[in-house]
Amino acid sequence: DIQMTQSPSSLSASVGDRVTITCRASQSISNYLNWYQQKPGKAPKLLIHSASSLQSGVPSRFSGSGSGTDFTLTISSLQPEDFATYYCQQSYNTRTFGQGTKVEIK
Amino acid sequence: QVQLVQSEAEVKKPGSSVKVSCKASGGTFSSYTFSWVRQAPGQGLEWMGRITPIDDISNYSQKFKGRITLSADKSTRTVSMELSSLTSEDTAVYYCARESGTHYADDYWGQGTLVTVTS
Repeated sequence: DIQMTQSPSSLSASVGDRVTITCRASQSISNYLNWYQQKPGKAPKLLIHSASSLQSGVPSRFSGSGSGTDFTLTISSLQPEDFATYYCQQSYNTRTFGQGTKVEIK
Repeated sequence: QVQLVQSEAEVKKPGSSVKVSCKASGGTFSSYTFSWVRQAPGQGLEWMGRITPIDDISNYSQKFKGRITLSADKSTRTVSMELSSLTSEDTAVYYCARESGTHYADDYWGQGTLVTVTS
């Protein structure tokens, strides 16, 4: 199975900050990398697919980059509604999620 | 629009099985792939398996092979996940999700079903 490692596992940030979360795959997955946002008690929500494609309806402050084994999710200016947990997921071979990154209010 | 509505919460005894269903409405059904993902209390997301109703082809996480069965009923537009030999470690919220037809990501999710395993 392909392993996905996210960092950091948690971070504290303020509204307006630029936030970056990284995800590393245990082998090359080309651009088969998705990012999800999850708020407490809710189902995950797709933000980014195919490493860098913004899902319809998702604000443009979210962006993704990377290919091969190293990927990044960036929130350009953190908004109050962005405090949540973010997961990467590889879709190259079956599916695997990273362990999650919790974004908390500083 | 697409909606996935899951069955109600379940309480099960250790050693028993549970079957969670997910009914899809809106859009087509058979040609999409549906995944099951679970989340133990306070933990992250864990992918369990996926099924495509049009050909009933499924694949599973190694972790659950032998204990999980995915099925699809095209007449009722319902996919189901059955997990056997339950232990307390299977206590979790179980989600179904539909994979986009154009990219390999899950763009619609059910509301989640809490399965509690307790003696």
